[in-house]
Amino acid sequence: GAVVSQHPSRVICKSGTSVKIECRSLDFQATTMFWYRQFPKQSLMLMATSNEGSKATYEQGVEKDKFLINHASLTLSTLTVTSAHPEDSSFYICSAIPQPYGYTFGSGTRLTVV
Amino acid sequence: GESVGLHLPTLSVQEGDNSIINCAYSNSASDYFIWYKQESGKGPQFIIDIRSNMDKRQGQRVTVLLNKTVKHLSLQIAATQPGDSAVYFCAENNAAGNKLTFGGGTRVLVKP
Repeated sequence: GAVVSQHPSRVICKSGTSVKIECRSLDFQATTMFWYRQFPKQSLMLMATSNEGSKATYEQGVEKDKFLINHASLTLSTLTVTSAHPEDSSFYICSAIPQPYGYTFGSGTRLTVV
Repeated sequence: GESVGLHLPTLSVQEGDNSIINCAYSNSASDYFIWYKQESGKGPQFIIDIRSNMDKRQGQRVTVLLNKTVKHLSLQIAATQPGDSAVYFCAENNAAGNKLTFGGGTRVLVKP
């Protein structure tokens, strides 16, 4: 089946710095990717829909200037958490919809802001 | 099992017994439903799906039941094994878009 690869799996950064998370589609092209955030013991919450070659669509309450999404190619979407703070510490997960496999998720990135 | 506050409901089950996990969905326009399994520190893993024109679908050791009248979804796991210990989420999608909305999740603990 198709694979969605996410990198890094874990990252620790200092408060006030920015961190970039990559989501790659392997063996398929993804015009659309999705970014989720998951706090401990909670469900996945959709943050934004990443569209290749155009602006991302953000869910209500998600700051687009804080969570920068770039989808410059058909196999790569990046999420940059800018000026990270401890409350941004979370598990970030991307997904895509490779046909005919349906929704496929990356392995997630554990972000810890200290 | 819906989420209550910040605590995932937990289902403890004896190894070899059957497990039933419940989910209430919110959008009557949703027409596609998926169950996912998530192990600690990993992304969700597809288990089984069902479309709204069906009320039951079976996979290997798993069965999904859909009751559109009361907007209820359940996942049955037969002969639960230690490897089934994880958090299980239902997710819904509607024909108007391709966004998935996740339910609150249920933690399944399998006792040996």
